Amino acid sequence: AQSVAQPEDQVNVAEGNPLTVKCTYSVSGNPYLFWYVQYPNRGLQFLLKYITGDNLVKGSYGFEAEFNKSQTSFHLKKPSALVSDSALYFCAVRDSEGYNFNKFYFGSGTKLNVKP
Amino acid sequence: GAVVSQHPSRVICKSGTSVKIECRSLDFQATTMFWYRQFPKQSLMLMATSNEGSKATYEQGVEKDKFLINHASLTLSTLTVTSAHPEDSSFYICSARELQEYSPLHFGNGTRLTVT
Repeated sequence: AQSVAQPEDQVNVAEGNPLTVKCTYSVSGNPYLFWYVQYPNRGLQFLLKYITGDNLVKGSYGFEAEFNKSQTSFHLKKPSALVSDSALYFCAVRDSEGYNFNKFYFGSGTKLNVKP
Repeated sequence: GAVVSQHPSRVICKSGTSVKIECRSLDFQATTMFWYRQFPKQSLMLMATSNEGSKATYEQGVEKDKFLINHASLTLSTLTVTSAHPEDSSFYICSARELQEYSPLHFGNGTRLTVT
């Protein structure tokens, strides 16, 4: 069955330090992987995606993510965190095949707190 | 980039009344739109998949007679919460995907529904 796990409810990091938000997934076929950010009382904003090719993908606002097939992970990273990065982050996966290929499955979300 | 517009952003209604929420894809066509519900500090719960020109597909446990979905055109889907009750108070978010195979979901800004 398709699923996404974000093992950390919350991640705290100091401004200027690197950040990592973890995500692991489970799908039947090849995964299409996505990261979104949500600010309070707003919808989700698309950050980046992995479809195929280079395992390191770069996205908006300086974020990047690394696809690791053997570990079935897609961790979100940023070399230097900003206070304005504080928000709720969601990882999502879409299966490339099967009955539910059109559905997106979301993780439970990770709240990122960047302290000045 | 692709924009999804959702209205209203906030609505307060009395118990027993109905509320309609609109979701529009502004610069792309969407044969499929998705309606989510988000509880405080929780992830997104997929309620239903809205299909242009046909009936919506509801997730298990979602009452289709209570949450009426209409997808009358390639750019508009509506969700009507009928006979609303306080327990229907929540944050409702719509999303849509462009027709390209690897397109991410694009989200509206959500609707905060409060039923008094």
